[in-house]
Amino acid sequence: DAGVTQSPTHLIKTRGQQVTLRCSPKSGHDTVSWYQQALGQGPQFIFQYYEEEERQRGNFPDRFSGHQFPNYSSELNVNALLLGDSALYLCASSFNVEATDTQYFGPGTRLTVL
Amino acid sequence: GNSVTQMEGPVTLSEEAFLTINCTYTATGYPSLFWYVQYPGEGLQLLLKATKADDKGSNKGFEATYRKETTSFHLEKGSVQVSDSAVYFCALSLDFGNEKLTFGTGTRLTIIP
Repeated sequence: DAGVTQSPTHLIKTRGQQVTLRCSPKSGHDTVSWYQQALGQGPQFIFQYYEEEERQRGNFPDRFSGHQFPNYSSELNVNALLLGDSALYLCASSFNVEATDTQYFGPGTRLTVL
Repeated sequence: GNSVTQMEGPVTLSEEAFLTINCTYTATGYPSLFWYVQYPGEGLQLLLKATKADDKGSNKGFEATYRKETTSFHLEKGSVQVSDSAVYFCALSLDFGNEKLTFGTGTRLTIIP
């Protein structure tokens, strides 16, 4: 049973560019959440997708957007990259109906903005 | 708003020592509490969880008890191993997978042989 997978593993961009990160949830999961983890910090919630809609959003600017596909996979897009966007981006999946379940994390995508 | 405060690290212990990592929280409502572990170069793994007051979560020799009266969820292990070296995050959620996780800043633990 495959867990949460993310691609790419590492990415280097320059300021002002745009980036797309991808996530495939754990088998049987229908909800995807994205987190940003700056170096030496805890993960910060960006947003959550369920039924192809953004259900919750954290305190991130509109430069951060996302999408969920019918197969439950998800993308995170960041426009007009800033140096401060350099971080580990984590995707987590869960099953909406299962009230006792929790979020399972992927290995992350390390984004470096130069 | 909701927040988690963790004991600042780094923490360095000798193998077989007793471990405590403190965690306190502030939340509206009745959160579920979690400990996640992050090994070098990897994502987060759920270590243990507790869903209501006085619940004790346990896994791999680690334990934490949900203390509503002190709003705490301290992580403990009786005898640490070198393989326990990692960063530990305390987190809360108001509704498991349907609600965002709010994390502490993490505590880096290093165990020396």
